[in-house]
Amino acid sequence: GAVVSQHPSRVICKSGTSVKIECRSLDFQATTMFWYRQFPKQSLMLMATSNEGSKATYEQGVEKDKFLINHASLTLSTLTVTSAHPEDSSFYICSARRLAQGRDEQFFGPGTRLTVL
Amino acid sequence: EDQVTQSPEALRLQEGESSSLNCSYTVSGLRGLFWYRQDPGKGPEFLFTLYSAGEEKEKERLKATLTKKESFLHITAPKPEDSATYLCAVTYSGYALNFGKGTSLLVTP
Repeated sequence: GAVVSQHPSRVICKSGTSVKIECRSLDFQATTMFWYRQFPKQSLMLMATSNEGSKATYEQGVEKDKFLINHASLTLSTLTVTSAHPEDSSFYICSARRLAQGRDEQFFGPGTRLTVL
Repeated sequence: EDQVTQSPEALRLQEGESSSLNCSYTVSGLRGLFWYRQDPGKGPEFLFTLYSAGEEKEKERLKATLTKKESFLHITAPKPEDSATYLCAVTYSGYALNFGKGTSLLVTP
């Protein structure tokens, strides 16, 4: 399978600070990446779709000014949580879309655990 | 209204006791149905993609099947290391995944 990395894996920050999370596809190019959030014992909820070279598309209820997404290259997307608050504490997971040999697949990163104090 | 429903929510099996997990969906224009495995504190691990009714895929002790309304993940002679949450997701009009709530599987020795 394809490899997707995330950095950092865990971050603890004070309320009001901004946190940047990187998502990289290591062995394939991804024109589309996705950002999800997962609360304890719940499934993944899509936050936004990140397209290389264009603006991200946000799901209803997700503040685009709070969750800034940049997809600067075919292998890197970043999510910046601005002015983080305790309610933003969650598990953030990215995925990268791979189109190859007639297959349309998504591969996930290992996730980033954000704790806002 | 949920578009993807997984059942059961939790399943406990003895090692070697085969069973099936269900994923039913209500979306029209299905582009693909995905199965993932997720261990605690980790991202989902890709298992299978199914594109059309009648399709089947296998990987070790796992076999996924698809009909027009649902998919099954069959687990044959499970081992304790198969314990995880199994997630089903579908894509329809776009490419984003719409996830079910998952089935938490525990296999005891």
